[in-house]
Amino acid sequence: KNEVEQSPQNLTAQEGEFITINCSYSVGISALHWLQQHPGGGIVSLFMLSSGKKKHGRLIATINIQEKHSSLHITASHPRDSAVYICASGGTSYGKLTFGQGTILTVHP
Amino acid sequence: DAGITQSPRHKVTETGTPVTLRCHQTENHRYMYWYRQDPGHGLRLIHYSYGVKDTDKGEVSDGYSVSRSKTEDFLLTLESATSSQTSVYFCAIGGPNQNTEAFFGQGTRLTVV
Repeated sequence: KNEVEQSPQNLTAQEGEFITINCSYSVGISALHWLQQHPGGGIVSLFMLSSGKKKHGRLIATINIQEKHSSLHITASHPRDSAVYICASGGTSYGKLTFGQGTILTVHP
Repeated sequence: DAGITQSPRHKVTETGTPVTLRCHQTENHRYMYWYRQDPGHGLRLIHYSYGVKDTDKGEVSDGYSVSRSKTEDFLLTLESATSSQTSVYFCAIGGPNQNTEAFFGQGTRLTVV
């Protein structure tokens, strides 16, 4: 059974700080997803990656397949980045996702 | 944004009543999923579908059934709602291909009183 662990569970930062959220999974996967959820809001896909690194604006996601580990980085954090960030591993079995518990990020001005 | 619409967005129902949640997609995606999100548990898979009339159970399927009579619609039914089914329900589309991104509906907040 695949398990997905995220750290930290809670993260508080000052505006402008560099932020890293980590995700580890236990079995081989087809892809790793990073998702964002604002309070009371829906879930938005930030990245899907199966190797290497992807960048979108101030967000960067990396994955190390051998170590079964992924990181989400936010450069120059801003209060609007405050949200829950969720990683999810995608298996080859019908595309079912296994989710981490989420990281609650709060960025103070 | 992917065209995924959930209805209703909010519902309060009484214990023992049947409830049906609807997920409608305009992306012609083969794979659809129902997840529930609860504090302390994260998101968990209830049921999924891999085609019209093709469905299977997820990890928390007890008390739920699903139907998919058309590609675009995936219905989740609580046969007899219980307080433990109070949750936020998300529908999603995706697939097993490593290039298939996951897209989620806006969620349905269900309260069973």
